[in-house]
Amino acid sequence: DAKTTQPTSMDCAEGRAANLPCNHSTISGNEYVYWYRQIHSQGPQYIIHGLKNNETNEMASLIITEDRKSSTLILPHATLRDTAVYYCIVRVASNAGNMLTFGGGTRLMVKP
Amino acid sequence: DVKVTQSSRYLVKRTGEKVFLECVQDMDHENMFWYRQDPGLGLRLIYFSYDVKMKEKGDIPEGYSVSREKKERFSLILESASTNQTSMYLCASSPQRYTATYEQYFGPGTRLTVT
Repeated sequence: DAKTTQPTSMDCAEGRAANLPCNHSTISGNEYVYWYRQIHSQGPQYIIHGLKNNETNEMASLIITEDRKSSTLILPHATLRDTAVYYCIVRVASNAGNMLTFGGGTRLMVKP
Repeated sequence: DVKVTQSSRYLVKRTGEKVFLECVQDMDHENMFWYRQDPGLGLRLIYFSYDVKMKEKGDIPEGYSVSREKKERFSLILESASTNQTSMYLCASSPQRYTATYEQYFGPGTRLTVT
């Protein structure tokens, strides 16, 4: 699995867009980029995933560079409830059950 | 919305007790998982199941067993609880379509303390 690098922490003002970067320069052609977050004392929450096209859902947008070596998760209008640790992971897709593992992640603090 | 529920948020048990943790999902997902999460160790997979009555060991199955009699329900059993099983236990489910394996939906977690 490709290694990912994320900033340790970021701040964002409430109501502004939060842009969380992730580097995955060793990503291979069949690996997907997944984003999760974990709010303190809660279970992890799936946000979005993508292969090479940009993706958007009700929670966030995922922008993947053309060379696929990095991506950015965008929370368009951050709220205080978006304060969490955000994890970027890169994995080969399959139908089988697979273990999810998280690296250090980015601790996003949304401030009033 | 996918909903994964776990039977208890907090549980306190004594050493040697048999402990049952229940997990139910309402999205007709084929895959279900049990993890434990400890500070500094991250998420570790205990068992997973990709179908009714099917189970596979994860990284740390020792001291645990599981049961999946119905598609929506996946139970984790601690046969004889020990203090080193004090942890946050997380259940997750995912659909069994290609690309979705890591699209896992988690329950709120059960914080188990064994004294």
